[in-house]
Amino acid sequence: SQKIEQNSEALNIQEGKTATLTCNYTNYSPAYLQWYRQDPGRGPVFLLLIRENEKEKRKERLKVTFDTTLKQSLFHITASQPADSATYLCAFSQSNDYKLSFGAGTTVTVRA
Amino acid sequence: DTGVSQNPRHKITKRGQNVTFRCDPISEHNRLYWYRQTLGQGPEFLTYFQNEAQLEKSRLLSDRFSAERPKGSFSTLEIQRTEQGDSAMYLCASSPDDRASTEAFFGQGTRLTVV
Repeated sequence: SQKIEQNSEALNIQEGKTATLTCNYTNYSPAYLQWYRQDPGRGPVFLLLIRENEKEKRKERLKVTFDTTLKQSLFHITASQPADSATYLCAFSQSNDYKLSFGAGTTVTVRA
Repeated sequence: DTGVSQNPRHKITKRGQNVTFRCDPISEHNRLYWYRQTLGQGPEFLTYFQNEAQLEKSRLLSDRFSAERPKGSFSTLEIQRTEQGDSAMYLCASSPDDRASTEAFFGQGTRLTVV
């Protein structure tokens, strides 16, 4: 069965630096890969979606890459701010399957 | 507020009791999902509806769990004879159409504690 791994449980960085989060998967490539932000006690909030035939997507200070050869997605937060502190979840879905399969998340803490 | 609404936000119940949660999706969304999330883990899929039809259920959804979406509007998730292992955050999400690429809009969740 498909397994989704996010590289670490926690990432601590200095304000202004770039945070890089990793999401790896086994077996087949997902058709769609999404990244969500989750704050404590709240539901996930959608950030970005990338398709398997796309290499990179950007939105403001966020960038997502998708490498089907490495079976990996990277999520970058550039010029990080303390307000970026949260847990970031990657999630997969397939073309004919509407449910999302989530990784365990990486908690990012940005120090001022 | 036009987002996904879940009630109650918190529920504490004794083991063996039944509980019911409600989800009001974004009004024009025809797809509705239930997920369960435990501490330190990502959400796990439980079930989803397209309009009033329940199209898929996870193996996680034991026979003590039942979900409904009458008239394709709000949804309820009922857990009968609760167990301590049912303690989790129950998240509802909705999406607007039939494309699998559509983002999901999540509610704030219902935190269930079984004592």
